This record gives sequence, C-alpha cells and structure tokens, in this order.
Amino acid sequence: GENVEQHPSTLSVQEGDSAVIKCTYSDSASNYFPWYKQELGKGPQLIIDIRSNVGEKKDQRIAVTLNKTAKHFSLHITETQPEDSAVYFCAAKGQAGTALIFGKGTTLSVSS
Amino acid sequence: GAGVSQSPRYKVAKRGQDVALRCDPISGHVSLFWYQQALGQGPEFLTYFQNEAQLDKSGLPSDRFFAERPEGSVSTLKIQRTQQEDSAVYLCASSLLGRQGGNTIYFGEGSWLTVV
Repeated sequence: GENVEQHPSTLSVQEGDSAVIKCTYSDSASNYFPWYKQELGKGPQLIIDIRSNVGEKKDQRIAVTLNKTAKHFSLHITETQPEDSAVYFCAAKGQAGTALIFGKGTTLSVSS
Repeated sequence: GAGVSQSPRYKVAKRGQDVALRCDPISGHVSLFWYQQALGQGPEFLTYFQNEAQLDKSGLPSDRFFAERPEGSVSTLKIQRTQQEDSAVYLCASSLLGRQGGNTIYFGEGSWLTVV
C-alpha cells in the first residue's frame, strides 16, 4: 500500500522567510496530492492540492510542486506570517485506492 | 450545511463503555471517510462509504469498531467496550464524487474521545 514520508517534523522560521516542507510517496499509481493545515483543536483544512498531470500549482503565497519520476512533492510558503503557524500534513491518494494516506505532519512556527 | 459537522466534539468515556460518534457530511457528497488521529500523529484511515455502501473497512483496528451510513447521508462510528488506546480524535471527511475521482476531501472538526 501507499506510504508517505514527510520532512522535517518541525520547522521554525522568521516572519517574512520562506518555508519548504517535503514529502515522498511510494505508490507510483498515486495521482492526487493535497496539503492540509491543522490548527490546535481543529480539523485539517485543505490549503492546496495538485494532481499528477500538473507539475506545479500556486495560490498566492502557497505553491506545491510535484516530481512524479522521483515520487516527491513539496509545499512552499513565501513571506511567512505568524498566522501560518500550524501543523501541515501532506497526503497521497492512489488511483485505485479509496483513502488519502497522510504523512506524520510538520509543525511550522513563524516568529515575529 | 456548509461543512462537515461532527458530534459530540468532546467525549469522555469510562473504559468498557460504548460510544457513538456522529458525522453529517456536506449535503450531496457521495463519499464519506472516517479517520483516527492520535496525538501528534497524522490521520489514519479507518473506513470508507460510497453512499450507503461501506466499500472499505480495512483500517478499523478491531471488531469493537463499527460504522454505518444507512441512508447514504449521516454516518455513525460506534466503538464498543472502549479501551484507553482508543483515545484519539476521530475525524470524518466527505467528498463530492465516488472513489475513482481525485476530488477534494473536506474534514470536520473531529470528535475528541478520551477513555479513562
């Protein structure tokens, strides 16, 4: 089955810096890769996603890149703000599978 | 409703007690998922419904866990004879299409279960 590895587990940056979180997946048939932000006491909130027919997608300060050959995808947050502080999860969904498989999460701290 | 709604938000159960957790998915969503999230971990898949059919229950940790979605809308996750290791956040999620579609999956706020 699918296995998703996520790095780093914690990331501390200064306000205004960029943050990059990386994930690898094992199932070459996976075709959908969302990123979720989870704040304390809340459920995961989708922030951006990418499908396997696209290499990069941007939404304001957030971008995701996908390298299908290497089976890895990354989240890029530019001009970080304190409100970006949260736990971020990557996930992958196999073509024939029913469920998203999540990474273990990255705790991002943005200090002002 | 506007989003996935879960109740209760918080539940404290004595060991051995049965609990039932409810999920109201986004109206019209075909797919419904249950996930379990332990403290400091990512969500782990429990079970999947397409309308009223439970198509995948491979993630249910034991036969004490049971889920249903009898009319293809509201779903209930039931845990019998709760154990301390069942303490976790139980997340419900829904998506518009069936499982073959790579479509957006929306999560609820979760039900926080503590077994004492």
